[in-house]
Amino acid sequence: DTEVTQTPKHLVMGMTNKKSLKCEQHMGHRAMYWYKQKAKKPPELMFVYSYEKLSINESVPSRFSPECPNSSLLNLHLHALQPEDSALYLCASSARLAGVSTGELFFGEGSRLTVL
Amino acid sequence: SQQGEEDPQALSIQEGENATMNCSYKTSINNLQWYRQNSGRGLVHLILIRSNEREKHSGRLRVTLDTSKKSSSLLITASRAADTASYFCATELPGGYNKLIFGAGTRLAVHP
Repeated sequence: DTEVTQTPKHLVMGMTNKKSLKCEQHMGHRAMYWYKQKAKKPPELMFVYSYEKLSINESVPSRFSPECPNSSLLNLHLHALQPEDSALYLCASSARLAGVSTGELFFGEGSRLTVL
Repeated sequence: SQQGEEDPQALSIQEGENATMNCSYKTSINNLQWYRQNSGRGLVHLILIRSNEREKHSGRLRVTLDTSKKSSSLLITASRAADTASYFCATELPGGYNKLIFGAGTRLAVHP
């Protein structure tokens, strides 16, 4: 199974809502990522988890709150978002051997978020 | 923060022609990777070249890396309409933190 599954595929939320994006992989990968991608732009790194611990936070606003409950799951909790946060949110995973990344990222299909 | 710059931004060719995309980056790297993204979909890994490698092949893909110039190129030979997509280079920064930064991307259109 070489798949990263993201739910929901589409999400529309108001600025006062609280919602969550979910990501799951069963490849035994120990590094998981959140990227944000605006239209016609490259993915921008938000967070990296390594062995279920947050290792990189790219100065992301606190209205985005990541969580890694176990080695297969990654969540992104959303609260009080702004319309400019509307984007495609991509989850990815990669293997780590002896603490070192093997390089290749496996991406999910993304969750398209619209903030009204 | 964006590490790589790619050119051209857009490329339009006929089926059967070769497509060349270039990527430049700013800092030292562990490796450089190329990804493909069909419109609105997730990214698919194409090929990885390590900092001590100069050239790599995979099927119709050929990647070169020049660390002295901090640049890489992706060549797709005998292109097909199904190759129509956006192509991104991505650099993994040293430090063991899995930090992969994407370039701006090239939008490739292959016409039948």
